[in-house]
Amino acid sequence: EVQLLESGGGLVQPGGSLRLSCAASGFIFSNFAMTWVRQVPGKGLEWVSGLTPGGDSTYYANSVKGRFTISRDNSKNTLYLQMNSLRAEDTALYYCAKDFIRGGSGYYFDYWGLGTLVTVSS
Amino acid sequence: EIVLTQSPGTLSLSPGERATLSCRASQSVGTRYLAWYQQKPGQAPRLLIYGASSRATGFPDRFSGSGSGTDFTLTISRLEPEDFAVYYCQQYDSSLITFGQGTRLEIK
Repeated sequence: EVQLLESGGGLVQPGGSLRLSCAASGFIFSNFAMTWVRQVPGKGLEWVSGLTPGGDSTYYANSVKGRFTISRDNSKNTLYLQMNSLRAEDTALYYCAKDFIRGGSGYYFDYWGLGTLVTVSS
Repeated sequence: EIVLTQSPGTLSLSPGERATLSCRASQSVGTRYLAWYQQKPGQAPRLLIYGASSRATGFPDRFSGSGSGTDFTLTISRLEPEDFAVYYCQQYDSSLITFGQGTRLEIK
């Protein structure tokens, strides 16, 4: 059974940093692109960042480019999101999600975690 | 960046009725790169349609997707109580992904 478990969320002051993790199981992690998507409670979905199966190519939404860094450790089946220079508008539930297509570039996502809540406030 | 605009924002229908949800793109989207998700309260989104018209595992055939270019449609032929949720379209273009703002399908 595919499982994705996010962790690392919490309360942080504006300008601060957090590192999110997503532990994956139930599939060959190194074969699939992964992504982070966020959602302000009660609002819509916003794609944040994605990376290819090997981690060699990374992609970012304009809203986080230069502040967030996505990475993965295929030996630990874990996806990461390093978030720096956090702003109030980064407050959201952060989901990690698995690409639908093995070896794909991350067109759409068939398994999602339950999310970890990030709150940026003084 | 391709902007997706979903309409209507809220759709109020009764069980048994037909639902038609629209997703319009600011630029042409390859059909291969268009997906729909269903999200229920307190749950993560669930992939419903991929490649504009292929149904994901676990969804019955009352759900169908269609469209091309800039206009895409999600149709639910006969609503069941469990279908009332928020639906999002999503596109992939040049390694960037965007979502529509969602359509809330509510019981009338």
